[in-house]
Amino acid sequence: DAGVIQSPRHEVTEMGQEVTLRCKPISGHNSLFWYRQTMMRGLELLIYFNNNVPIDDSGMPEDRFSAKMPNASFSTLKIQPSEPRDSAVYFCASTGEGLDQPQHFGDGTRLSIL
Amino acid sequence: ILNVEQSPQSLHVQEGDSTNFTCSFPSSNFYALHWYRWETAKSPEALFVMTLNGDEKKKGRISATLNTKEGYSYLYIKGSQPEDSATYLCASTLGRLYFGRGTQLTVWP
Repeated sequence: DAGVIQSPRHEVTEMGQEVTLRCKPISGHNSLFWYRQTMMRGLELLIYFNNNVPIDDSGMPEDRFSAKMPNASFSTLKIQPSEPRDSAVYFCASTGEGLDQPQHFGDGTRLSIL
Repeated sequence: ILNVEQSPQSLHVQEGDSTNFTCSFPSSNFYALHWYRWETAKSPEALFVMTLNGDEKKKGRISATLNTKEGYSYLYIKGSQPEDSATYLCASTLGRLYFGRGTQLTVWP
């Protein structure tokens, strides 16, 4: 079975540009999570969806960040405009019903904003 | 917000040594405790999910225990090998997962 698929794997762009990260969860999973990994804060949750509905977006840093899940097999995380401090590795994870199910992580997108 | 603490922050051991580290979490409203293994330049990989007080789980040389009344979990690695070198993350739940900062394990040959 395919795992969680993220694209792109790497993104380098200039400050001010729009960045879109993509995620395809494991088929049948109904919860999807976006995380950001930084040296300062470790692995932090940005937003999560349950059955395509955003449940908790309290971790989204500011209005420049937005996330959507138009259907059960696709989600995007958008940053507009991007800033150098957004440089990090962004992970998407999916899981089945309930918080007692293990999360399956994608390979991450390494984002560098110049 | 749930405060999940892991100790030690880092650990260096020799190949063959057994080791253990701790995850502390608030015991009230407990639902589940997760352990993940995270190798450098890869993504976190689930090891265990535990829900019951006294739970003990094992996967090869790695095992974990859970005490929900006092709010801690131990992860044990028996006979550490260099390939065990990774960051070990735990996460507890309160509506969502809250991750600790991890214990970075280095096993020297």
